Amino acid sequence: DTGVSQNPRHKITKRGQNVTFRCDPISEHNRLYWYRQTLGQGPEFLTYFQNEAQLEKSRLLSDRFSAERPKGSFSTLEIQRTEQGDSAMYLCASSHKDNSYEQYFGPGTRLTVT
Amino acid sequence: AQSVTQLDSHVSVSEGTPVLLRCNYSSSYSPSLFWYVQHPNKGLQLLLKYTSAATLVKGINGFEAEFKKSETSFHLTKPSAHMSDAAEYFCVVSVGGGNKLTFGTGTQLKVEL
Repeated sequence: DTGVSQNPRHKITKRGQNVTFRCDPISEHNRLYWYRQTLGQGPEFLTYFQNEAQLEKSRLLSDRFSAERPKGSFSTLEIQRTEQGDSAMYLCASSHKDNSYEQYFGPGTRLTVT
Repeated sequence: AQSVTQLDSHVSVSEGTPVLLRCNYSSSYSPSLFWYVQHPNKGLQLLLKYTSAATLVKGINGFEAEFKKSETSFHLTKPSAHMSDAAEYFCVVSVGGGNKLTFGTGTQLKVEL
């Protein structure tokens, strides 16, 4: 069990650029979640997948954000036309369908938009 | 809507003394509640969970929490603090069929010699 991994760990980009983050969940976990954490706050839910189906999206997820999980394994989160307000830690978590209460978090991708 | 309120943004204790981190919840029905810990530059780690079984829940590293419906509380305690406990702690409620998590604003625990 290698845990949830996220890449890159850090990303610095200029305003207006597109960025993509990747999350690899624990292999037998069929649920995958994305959260965003800004400085001094708790993580906020963005979206989640069950297998390849995206089942829920938060209102925080504007139309500049898109997430995919094409084969029900890894997931990507893309932000188009980044804004300074997008600067945050983006966290991925996964859980098993038989124990979906327990979410295992990755180390996060820290995005800085300059 | 379900939510949690962490009553202290910072708590400071001496090593070897008890820890109390306070959390109140708001829920229209019986919630699932959790405590997560976040050490600097490390991922969030589940400390313990309450999912409508025993009201006193034991977690890792000597932490425990008690679900009190009458007080709508889920406070986290530890009898004796260790330096390695210094971290940020989040009280969390699970919402909806997808079990998405709603986090509190966090309590920064400082442990002094």
